[in-house]
Amino acid sequence: AQRVTQPEKLLSVFKGAPVELKCNYSYSGSPELFWYVQYSRQRLQLLLRHISRESIKGFTADLNKGETSFHLKKPFAQEEDSAMYYCALSPGNYGQNFVFGPGTRLSVLP
Amino acid sequence: KAGVTQTPRYLIKTRGQQVTLSCSPISGHRSVSWYQQTPGQGLQFLFEYFSETQRNKGNFPGRFSGRQFSNSRSEMNVSTLELGDSALYLCASSLGGGEDYGYTFGSGTRLTVV
Repeated sequence: AQRVTQPEKLLSVFKGAPVELKCNYSYSGSPELFWYVQYSRQRLQLLLRHISRESIKGFTADLNKGETSFHLKKPFAQEEDSAMYYCALSPGNYGQNFVFGPGTRLSVLP
Repeated sequence: KAGVTQTPRYLIKTRGQQVTLSCSPISGHRSVSWYQQTPGQGLQFLFEYFSETQRNKGNFPGRFSGRQFSNSRSEMNVSTLELGDSALYLCASSLGGGEDYGYTFGSGTRLTVV
């Protein structure tokens, strides 16, 4: 069965510190992995996807198929990064049927 | 361009009633997906419609149904409401093609069943 886990419900770091949001998944095929973010009083929005191998707002994520992980990293956290972060998996078919993790609330302290 | 619009924003219904939620996708988007978000279960996929056809379905009972119209607008219906159906229902739209993952969410409809 498809499953996404995010072990931390809440992660607090100080401004300027590195941050890593963990994500592990279970899926028998070759999934597509994504990170979504929800800032306070805003809609859920796509942050980045592994197939693009891009860096958005200083965040990067590397898909590690051996460890079935897709951790989100940023070398220097900013206060505006405080938000709810969701890791999501798509089976990679033509459909838009994502499996979301439970989310991690990142709090960047001044 | 206008984003994904969900109506109504809030709903209060009584157990046993039925409810219909509406989602208007971004112009040109042909795929509409629905998700249920609750504190206990998080975000769970309900179903996806593409070109008026249900393309994917999650593990929800048959009380949950949907449809999509020729203009890509979608409706979701829940019959015989239960207290556990209280949730935020999110709609997301995308172009829907094989290489497209431009998934845009609406603000959601918050349903409260009393």
